[in-house]
Amino acid sequence: SYVLTQPPSVSVAPGKTARITCGGDNIGSKSVHWYQQKSGQAPVLVIYSDGDRPSGVPERFSGSNSGSTATLTISRVEAGDEADYYCQVWDSSRDHIIFGGGTKLTAL
Amino acid sequence: EVQLVESGGGLIQPGGSLRLSCAASGFIVSNNYMSWVRQAPGKGLEWVSVIYSGDSTYYADSVKGRFTISRDNSKNTLYLQMSSLRVEDTAVYYCTRGRLGSSSGYYFDYWGQGTLVTVSS
Repeated sequence: SYVLTQPPSVSVAPGKTARITCGGDNIGSKSVHWYQQKSGQAPVLVIYSDGDRPSGVPERFSGSNSGSTATLTISRVEAGDEADYYCQVWDSSRDHIIFGGGTKLTAL
Repeated sequence: EVQLVESGGGLIQPGGSLRLSCAASGFIVSNNYMSWVRQAPGKGLEWVSVIYSGDSTYYADSVKGRFTISRDNSKNTLYLQMSSLRVEDTAVYYCTRGRLGSSSGYYFDYWGQGTLVTVSS
């Protein structure tokens, strides 16, 4: 089955840029979506279809996808961005949804 | 305003059964791709099941044959019937609404607050 690989943790100083990767076999051929989950809360969609932002999500959040890696980029990181971030794709061959293992973002 | 409100979680013994409900408002459940996603304590997200608007259903291998997804159109409610429950089914279960992305691939634009299912003797 299809596997998405994320780093367990990413740390960045406030005001700097955080990049969270999501690796998968030829993931560039798939549509990748990203969710933010703060402690004790339900996940929230922050990027869909590789790089589109839902209404209300700051422009500081952006996404890209090519080859074997998709990337969520958070510019000018704030303390409020600390959360777990999950990538997700749809496995059309099995009609299954696949999530990455999640990355904990810490603003040092 | 779109809202998803789950209920039905609780403590259940291994081998038991439980039915989760998800009451939706602000949209019509039967016209949408609806899924259940779960999260074990301290772990990541795991997709559980989906029901399409056309009634097709699919399940994660970990729950296939034990869980059944369904909906009641008159109540605009999604369900997850869980049977033969195992300790490893312990998790917060989220109800989600799916959308088809521009370059194909479903994603979840709305999530409920979740309901906790604890399987323990």
